[in-house]
Amino acid sequence: EPEVTQTPSHQVTQMGQEVILRCVPISNHLYFYWYRQILGQKVEFLVSFYNNEISEKSEIFDDQFSVERPDGSNFTLKIRSTKLEDSAMYFCASSEPLEAQHFGDGTRLSIL
Amino acid sequence: AQSVTQLDSHVSVSEGTPVLLRCNYSSSYSPSLFWYVQHPNKGLQLLLKYTSAATLVKGINGFEAEFKKSETSFHLTKPSAHMSDAAEYFCVVIRPGGYQKVTFGTGTKLQVIP
Repeated sequence: EPEVTQTPSHQVTQMGQEVILRCVPISNHLYFYWYRQILGQKVEFLVSFYNNEISEKSEIFDDQFSVERPDGSNFTLKIRSTKLEDSAMYFCASSEPLEAQHFGDGTRLSIL
Repeated sequence: AQSVTQLDSHVSVSEGTPVLLRCNYSSSYSPSLFWYVQHPNKGLQLLLKYTSAATLVKGINGFEAEFKKSETSFHLTKPSAHMSDAAEYFCVVIRPGGYQKVTFGTGTKLQVIP
């Protein structure tokens, strides 16, 4: 069964550095999402992407964040200048219209 | 506006007894509804989904949920809890449309007591 893959599984970065989290969604899906989960807290929506543009974003998704689908297969989340509070598990998901989201296993981002 | 309310942040049941995790939603459209489970230090796994077909939906691991439009509810149930059911459960609503809107509930942590 096709699945969403995320790389790396764990990313350690110095505060202030840029980080790019990568995701390969399921190939025929049209909707793409990023979520984050701070340790011990709930899953928080960051952004959704459809038709090559952001369709919705949360208050968390400020100017430090950006998403891209550079080549038709990858879907990336960039954080320009990381802060300590960006440490979290980041989940990518993809879906067909109105169908369930398929989640990747997540990337654990640790900011030092 | 669209919202999802999971009425209980924590539910504790004894092994072998029924499970009820409550979810209420509001949506201006006919939404699709989902339940996901997250085991500790794991990703999110789809349990079941409602997409305007049968109102009683059966999922994996013996879980089922009933869509009740009149009550705007989509409660998750299981007749007999197992220790392996201990996890966090999320109710999710998707509003249809080209730019569909996804709303996550805040989650219910299920504890199963031996």
